[in-house]
Amino acid sequence: GQNIDQPTEMTATEGAIVQINCTYQTSGFNGLFWYQQHAGEAPTFLSYNVLDGLEEKGRFSSFLSRSKGYSYLLLKELQMKDSASYLCAYLDSNYQLIWGAGTKLIIKP
Amino acid sequence: DVKVTQSSRYLVKRTGEKVFLECVQDMDHENMFWYRQDPGLGLRLIYFSYDVKMKEKGDIPEGYSVSREKKERFSLILESASTNQTSMYLCASSFLGADTGELFFGEGSRLTVL
Repeated sequence: GQNIDQPTEMTATEGAIVQINCTYQTSGFNGLFWYQQHAGEAPTFLSYNVLDGLEEKGRFSSFLSRSKGYSYLLLKELQMKDSASYLCAYLDSNYQLIWGAGTKLIIKP
Repeated sequence: DVKVTQSSRYLVKRTGEKVFLECVQDMDHENMFWYRQDPGLGLRLIYFSYDVKMKEKGDIPEGYSVSREKKERFSLILESASTNQTSMYLCASSFLGADTGELFFGEGSRLTVL
């Protein structure tokens, strides 16, 4: 079956750090992705992890542990423009993307 | 600037009406996808296409059909709209063999069926 979970909503303060977790259960796995979606806009690609470890890209980093079925997106030096939904998705054995419901991140001044 | 364009941002239709949602991409991508996005649920794949005139069912194809007559255009058709098809519809495209999963999305078409 397909099972992927992430928190529905998180709140953080401008300038701080926030970690958004994503857990999944699957018998076939070909990588995990994070997308950002601002309200009323298209999702945009943030990161892709297929090997265990941390991938850093500016203020954003993404981590994967395949053995634990776990990933997180780390956002540093939060800015108001980071207020958005963050979508986690894994690529299954058929190379189809299986999506989480998204985490709405609210940044407060 | 690369672009996926969906024909309508907002539509209101009545139950039983036929609905066409069109999507055009200018990146020469082979793969095109139609998703629906509902609150509290992840994106759900309706149909996808890897080539012109080719289509494959996704997870929730019931009540929908698609057409891909040209590489750049992928249309979603609701033959007889129902209220449970009220949703945000997202089109996306990617290169063939893009197993990095980088999809390029359109801005969405919000459909309300009364």
